[in-house]
Amino acid sequence: KQEVTQIPAALSVPEGENLVLNCSFTDSAIYNLQWFRQDPGKGLTSLLLIQSSQREQTSGRLNASLDKSSGRSTLYIAASQPGDSATYLCAASGNTPLVFGKGTRLSVIA
Amino acid sequence: DTAVSQTPKYLVTQMGNDKSIKCEQNLGHDTMYWYKQDSKKFLKIMFSYNNKELIINETVPNRFSPKSPDKAHLNLHINSLELGDSAVYFCASSKGREGAGANVLTFGAGSRLTVL
Repeated sequence: KQEVTQIPAALSVPEGENLVLNCSFTDSAIYNLQWFRQDPGKGLTSLLLIQSSQREQTSGRLNASLDKSSGRSTLYIAASQPGDSATYLCAASGNTPLVFGKGTRLSVIA
Repeated sequence: DTAVSQTPKYLVTQMGNDKSIKCEQNLGHDTMYWYKQDSKKFLKIMFSYNNKELIINETVPNRFSPKSPDKAHLNLHINSLELGDSAVYFCASSKGREGAGANVLTFGAGSRLTVL
């Protein structure tokens, strides 16, 4: 049974810092690994999707990496801004339906 | 021009009542989903339909019945509501099926259900 864990649960950083969010999964037989952003009272917005054959994906200031052998993915956010404050969730898609982590709540302080 | 829209956004009701949440997507996607996010913010899939056919049915009480009249709509009906049903319910859609290599999900804004 796939389990997805995200550490830390919450993170507070000053504006301008580079930061890394961690995601680990127990079953490496995944099709893809997705990162989402959730703002309070809103739905989830897809940020990046890394297919199982890929090592990383980039979009603007965001870079996500995938290491299937170790069951890990990281989301790197460069030059953080207050507008990046949100909860970030990772989700693994494999033989079971998409399994989500509980998220990391990020606060970027101006 | 909302891609995935859910109604109502908020729903407050008494235990034992029956209620429905509607979802519509205008993206031309073939697959739609219902997810439940509980008070601990844990998001878990409930159902998935592909072209009106049920393809995922997780361990959900049979008080929950999804209905897909066409591939652009997936409604969720809940009978005999219980306190534990209080949560935020998210509808989502994707072009392909769950598990496809690059199957990006688009989520609605959520429907917050409170059972008193």
